[in-house]
Amino acid sequence: DIVMTQTPLSLSVTPGQPASISCKSSQSLLHGDGKTHLYWYLQKPGQAPQLLIYEVSNRFSGVPDRFSGSVSGTDFTLKISRVEAEDVGVYYCMQTTQLPLTFGGGTKVEIK
Amino acid sequence: QVQLVQSGAEVKKPGSSVKVSCKASGGSFRTFDFSWVRQAPGQGLEWMGRIIPSLGVTNYAPKFQDRVTFTADTSTRTAYMELNSLTSDDTAVYYCARDAPSGGLPFDYWGQGTLVTVSS
Repeated sequence: DIVMTQTPLSLSVTPGQPASISCKSSQSLLHGDGKTHLYWYLQKPGQAPQLLIYEVSNRFSGVPDRFSGSVSGTDFTLKISRVEAEDVGVYYCMQTTQLPLTFGGGTKVEIK
Repeated sequence: QVQLVQSGAEVKKPGSSVKVSCKASGGSFRTFDFSWVRQAPGQGLEWMGRIIPSLGVTNYAPKFQDRVTFTADTSTRTAYMELNSLTSDDTAVYYCARDAPSGGLPFDYWGQGTLVTVSS
């Protein structure tokens, strides 16, 4: 199985400040279709997860442009340029390149 | 707008089974493929597997392979997840999510979740 390791476990951020979450995969996520199937989700308190970023760096419909995704090898990063109160929750990365699909352990973002 | 509506909360005895449904509605017509994800209390997300109803294909995560069965009714766009031999470790919220194993965006829509409590 591909192991997805997220850091940090939690993050406390002042509104308006940036935040960065790392997700490392145990092997390459480059699929035979030429795409890298790495996704980011946000689970707000008491809600189901919601898709933020698909295929490493593409924002899903309606996702503010303060969210961005990038990759260096097997190290994936989600950045929030200016954290807002509505961004609190747990962020998960997920890979769909290989079965079984696997999630990172999650990063909890709180507001200071 | 796509909606996935799941069945209500369940309380089960250890050793019994639970069956959760997930009905899709709205959106343009396309074949709905479903994944099931569970979340134990205070824990992260865990993929259980998926069903591709149009192909009659299921993929189960190894951890659940022996205890879970996914079925679907294409006429009603409803998916079902049945988990057997329940233990207290199966107490969790179970989510269905629209999947896209053949391309597209996986898990772009989620059900509201179904809490399954296993207790004697």
